[in-house]
Amino acid sequence: EAGVAQSPRYKIIEKRQSVAFWCNPISGHATLYWYQQILGQGPKLLIQFQNNGVVDDSQLPKDRFSAERLKGVDSTLKIQPAKLEDSAVYLCASSQGAGGSGNTIYFGEGSWLTVV
Amino acid sequence: AQKITQTQPGMFVQEKEAVTLDCTYDTSDPSYGLFWYKQPSSGEMIFLIYQGSYDQQNATEGRYSLNFQKARKSANLVISASQLGDSAMYFCAIKGFNKFYFGSGTKLNVKP
Repeated sequence: EAGVAQSPRYKIIEKRQSVAFWCNPISGHATLYWYQQILGQGPKLLIQFQNNGVVDDSQLPKDRFSAERLKGVDSTLKIQPAKLEDSAVYLCASSQGAGGSGNTIYFGEGSWLTVV
Repeated sequence: AQKITQTQPGMFVQEKEAVTLDCTYDTSDPSYGLFWYKQPSSGEMIFLIYQGSYDQQNATEGRYSLNFQKARKSANLVISASQLGDSAMYFCAIKGFNKFYFGSGTKLNVKP
């Protein structure tokens, strides 16, 4: 079974530029998550989708970050304009369902962003 | 609100010895799950082990076991017979009210 796919793996951009990350979850997984992980810290949830609806985006900086999950499968996270503090790893994850404590989430390899 | 606390920023262990990584949590969801993930320097988060709040037995997966003490709200990870490849960041996470929260992590270094 294929895992969570993410691209690009690495991206270097200048501040005020834009960037987009793509994620394809594990087949059949209804819930998709985007996390931001700054070096030395734990992952912070940016947005959680259940199918193509948003469950939680309370920590998403909506003035510069946007995300969509059209058709309830793959997803795109966009940052525009980027700031230096956006330098982080952006982790996409998926789980079979949202309900129930036993739904393990599985992560992709991450997209490393450096803003210079 | 939910909270996960990992108080050990870094740990050292000798190869082949056992090590315990601490994790405490807080949640008001009576049905919650506790997870441990390993993150090597490559960046990928690898699922290790899961414990449900109603599980009577402590979870085990190979060399990993979860020491679940519900009354103390702790979910420590025990790695037996440490290997050099165990050197990585380890994150404890809680899932409650349909949301996942991660701790700040513990960096484990296994010495030869």
